[in-house]
Amino acid sequence: QKEVEQNSGPLSVPEGAIASLNCTYSDRGSQSFFWYRQYSGKSPELIMSIYSNGDKEDGRFTAQLNKASQYVSLLIRDSQPSDSATYLCARGASGGSYIPTFGRGTSLIVHP
Amino acid sequence: NAGVTQTPKFQVLKTGQSMTLQCAQDMNHNSMYWYRQDPGMGLRLIYYSASEGTTDKGEVPNGYNVSRLNKREFSLRLESAAPSQTSVYFCASSEAGSGGGGAQYFGPGTRLLVL
Repeated sequence: QKEVEQNSGPLSVPEGAIASLNCTYSDRGSQSFFWYRQYSGKSPELIMSIYSNGDKEDGRFTAQLNKASQYVSLLIRDSQPSDSATYLCARGASGGSYIPTFGRGTSLIVHP
Repeated sequence: NAGVTQTPKFQVLKTGQSMTLQCAQDMNHNSMYWYRQDPGMGLRLIYYSASEGTTDKGEVPNGYNVSRLNKREFSLRLESAAPSQTSVYFCASSEAGSGGGGAQYFGPGTRLLVL
């Protein structure tokens, strides 16, 4: 079982809407979580990190972490066509391991 | 700051040929990683180096070797390329302190085609 699960999508939203991307994880010892954006043909780019329960906002992006329910989410407000990409959720290494775990990503399509 | 750089950007090999993918980072990160990404498979870890002087296998190490040349540089070698190694290869470095839990920063990737 993959430790970090994401719906592969595609998730299609209209321009200006809120896009909600979700991720669940199985390792209760995880302390750090990250969201990466990957445009087609490009490398993953870090867009958000979150370490504590609750919300973390950065511009149009909000990351949410609920450790009790073991899920992480990313909200993108006022979605733009330029947000169309694959979004990877990742759990940072924990328990003495140096190996992080990535989900397979959710494809987001923002249509005009 | 260039971040993480990789060379070459593209490479075509014939089965059985060898090559080395180069990676360098200028962020003073301790940990460095090599991934491959194939359609529908996500990122798969090939090898990593938690710190200078150490290397360890990841999920898919067969057919590859690595060298952590110094704190900045981490190379990946294919001794005898096979078509199954056709992929996009990403190098990453991590700001992790102890425990490796930090964010990863990726290079632009190397697209490898093995005929």
